[in-house]
Amino acid sequence: QKEVEQNSGPLSVPEGAIASLNCTYSDRGSQSFFWYRQYSGKSPELIMSIYSNGDKEDGRFTAQLNKASQYVSLLIRDSQPSDSATYLCAVGRDYKLSFGAGTTVTVRA
Amino acid sequence: KAGVTQTPRYLIKTRGQQVTLSCSPISGHRSVSWYQQTPGQGLQFLFEYFSETQRNKGNFPGRFSGRQFSNSRSEMNVSTLELGDSALYLCASGLAGGAYNEQFFGPGTRLTVL
Repeated sequence: QKEVEQNSGPLSVPEGAIASLNCTYSDRGSQSFFWYRQYSGKSPELIMSIYSNGDKEDGRFTAQLNKASQYVSLLIRDSQPSDSATYLCAVGRDYKLSFGAGTTVTVRA
Repeated sequence: KAGVTQTPRYLIKTRGQQVTLSCSPISGHRSVSWYQQTPGQGLQFLFEYFSETQRNKGNFPGRFSGRQFSNSRSEMNVSTLELGDSALYLCASGLAGGAYNEQFFGPGTRLTVL
């Protein structure tokens, strides 16, 4: 079983729609949870961090964490063409981040 | 505030050689982590340093090593290069390095082993 699994892509959404990304993790002792965005040929960019159960909103992004279900999600509202990228879920424990394989999102105009 | 810097940005080596990559963290950040990114394996954790101490290490062979200096700058070394070591090597820095440490990535060093 992989430590971090993300829903398989690619995910294609129309401009202005909501993109929904999911991530599950296997280690119940995981302490911190992050979403990174990676454009093709670039390095990952941190967009959200979440540490406790519930929702966290930042602009058009909302992260949700459910530790009992070992589940993290990211919603992108009002998707824009500039949101087209690969989104990486990362789970932290003991000074180490474990990453999922990523979900590629394409926002079509 | 300047971001994480990595040098060199691109490197071409041949099998059997060794290589040293350098990372300068964001000013004030004391935690530095290294990751390897390949199309097949994705992003994999190599090691993390805080105040010159390695606090965690990933599942990589001993050919991969690193260190951190008193100014928080870090280097990683790969000896006896193999073709499979071709990858993007990413350095990330964080403030305090605790459980809730947000990590910010540098641009990476693209290593090609021929």
